[in-house]
Amino acid sequence: AIQMTQSPSSLSASVGDRVTITCRASQGIRYDLGWYQQKPGKAPKLLIYAASTLQSGVPSRFSGSGSGTDFTLTISSLQPEDFATYYCLQDYSYPLTFGQGTKVEIK
Amino acid sequence: QVRLQESGPGLVKPSETLSLTCTVSAASMSSYYWSWVRQPPEKGLEWIGYVYYSGSTNYNPSLKSRVTISLDTSKNQFSLKLSSVTAADTAIYYCAGRRRIAANGDGFDIWGQGTMVTVSS
Repeated sequence: AIQMTQSPSSLSASVGDRVTITCRASQGIRYDLGWYQQKPGKAPKLLIYAASTLQSGVPSRFSGSGSGTDFTLTISSLQPEDFATYYCLQDYSYPLTFGQGTKVEIK
Repeated sequence: QVRLQESGPGLVKPSETLSLTCTVSAASMSSYYWSWVRQPPEKGLEWIGYVYYSGSTNYNPSLKSRVTISLDTSKNQFSLKLSSVTAADTAIYYCAGRRRIAANGDGFDIWGQGTMVTVSS
């Protein structure tokens, strides 16, 4: 199975900060990667698919980049509603595998 | 509006079979790979497997010997059975649909609210 390693596991940031989360795959996955946001007590929500394509309705402050093994999720200006846990998911091959998550907390 | 709703027992005894159903509203059953994803308390997400409209399935090897996912298109439902459960199977179980969103990519764009299943005697 492809292993997905996210970093950092948690971070503290202030409203307005630029935040970057990285995800590394144990082998090349082309651009077959999605980013999901999960708030406490809620189901995950798709933010980005195909590494860099913004899902409909997701604010443009979210962006994704990367291909192969290294990927990045960037929030250009953190908003109060963005405090959550973020997961990457590779859908290049089965079994689908998630990163361990990055919790974004208020500084 | 597309909606997924999980249903099933919230408490299962060790060694027994966990059974959950997901009811799909306002979505084409043929457009999605219908999956189950679980999340142990305070931990990350784990993909369990999927069933497709054709009946084809794919399971996570870590659970493959214990998992069955099936589809009932007449009821717009799909189901999960996980046998021989232990405390390690205690988790929130989500049903979710993954589809080709655009020519270049797939994603899980619909999710149920999740249902907590505790394995305990």
